[in-house]
Amino acid sequence: ETGVTQSPTHLIKTRGQQVTLRCSSQSGHNTVSWYQQALGQGPQFIFQYYREEENGRGNFPPRFSGLQFPNYSSELNVNALELDDSALYLCASSLEYLSETQYFGPGTRLLVL
Amino acid sequence: GENVEQHPSTLSVQEGDSAVIKCTYSDSASNYFPWYKQELGKRPQLIIDIRSNVGEKKDQRIAVTLNKTAKHFSLHITETQPEDSAVYFCAASSGGTSYGKLTFGQGTILTVHP
Repeated sequence: ETGVTQSPTHLIKTRGQQVTLRCSSQSGHNTVSWYQQALGQGPQFIFQYYREEENGRGNFPPRFSGLQFPNYSSELNVNALELDDSALYLCASSLEYLSETQYFGPGTRLLVL
Repeated sequence: GENVEQHPSTLSVQEGDSAVIKCTYSDSASNYFPWYKQELGKRPQLIIDIRSNVGEKKDQRIAVTLNKTAKHFSLHITETQPEDSAVYFCAASSGGTSYGKLTFGQGTILTVHP
């Protein structure tokens, strides 16, 4: 059984650019949630995908969007990057969306200059 | 929406002492409360969780207690070891349409001195 993986590990972008982050869920898990963790803060829920459909969204603007693929891997896309988007982006997978236990990936650290 | 407050923000103990971290939540519909440990530069790791139909859960040196009436839950670590040093986060989830939406506390930096 493989754990949750994310790529890339680090990324540097400039304001206004667009970024795509990727997540492979744990084997057998069909639900992926994305979180943003600013330095010194707890993770904040961005959105969740279940069987390729968005299944709940936190308080983030529409320039944060996502996709889930038939193999349950997922992407987080952020358009028009702002300095405040600098953070650790974590994805977490769970067996079913009704299963609350979530396992996190190692994260992608994004720096926006 | 749900709001989770966590205290203290930093906690320093001597090896072998106990450590207690407390969280309060605002949404009475919340029914799932996990605790995560995050070491520097690493992913959050689930260390224990509790559901609202249980008042206490224990796993070796770690225990979690839940008081639904007062809307607070606590993490207890006994016989602390230097490797317990990390940031600990509590979280809450209210199920229903919020399944999978964890609301986290601000974190507690635990330092265990040898």
